[in-house]
Amino acid sequence: DTAVSQTPKYLVTQMGNDKSIKCEQNLGHDTMYWYKQDSKKFLKIMFSYNNKELIINETVPNRFSPKSPDKAHLNLHINSLELGDSAVYFCASSQVTGRADGYTFGSGTRLTVV
Amino acid sequence: GENVEQHPSTLSVQEGDSAVIKCTYSDSASNYFPWYKQELGKGPQLIIDIRSNVGEKKDQRIAVTLNKTAKHFSLHITETQPEDSAVYFCAADSWGKLQFGAGTQVVVTP
Repeated sequence: DTAVSQTPKYLVTQMGNDKSIKCEQNLGHDTMYWYKQDSKKFLKIMFSYNNKELIINETVPNRFSPKSPDKAHLNLHINSLELGDSAVYFCASSQVTGRADGYTFGSGTRLTVV
Repeated sequence: GENVEQHPSTLSVQEGDSAVIKCTYSDSASNYFPWYKQELGKGPQLIIDIRSNVGEKKDQRIAVTLNKTAKHFSLHITETQPEDSAVYFCAADSWGKLQFGAGTQVVVTP
């Protein structure tokens, strides 16, 4: 199946831990993104990468570090997790840099920090 | 930067009736306006989109209208069905970065 897939789907962890979320797309898209959806369902962009290069870095704490080993993968590593990091994190990809058409989202990773 | 406002936050409709969701945007440079449907436990899925050179677009029971002068766009769902129940998001593209509205929870009651 052609898709954006992210793992894990659920992640429960204690405060202070370090965790990673992985994302892969097999759509051949140039650009990948991380979005955060808070408890009120608000979707906010965090990062975007084009062909392994960081393009967008919104005001996100330094504890969040994206890594793109190749065009098809964009992982998100979070250090020293805090309660406020609890949210659903979505990976997405789009076909062409600088244009949002063809945005495809993964199914999300629900992160719960206890 | 772009700011997108979406109303209403919740919408309850009887099956068969129409539903309308409205959004406004602030950046006149935005030129692409997609709508996403998010079902429980899933990621947002694109249902329809419109570009700034088009005023209206229709796909079966859903349609989107765009008024560039007033900087607002709307989603219309006709003959609503229970499977239309979901959260709907509007968005505006500003240089490849999608800014989302806050979402509308649509509930279709049989």
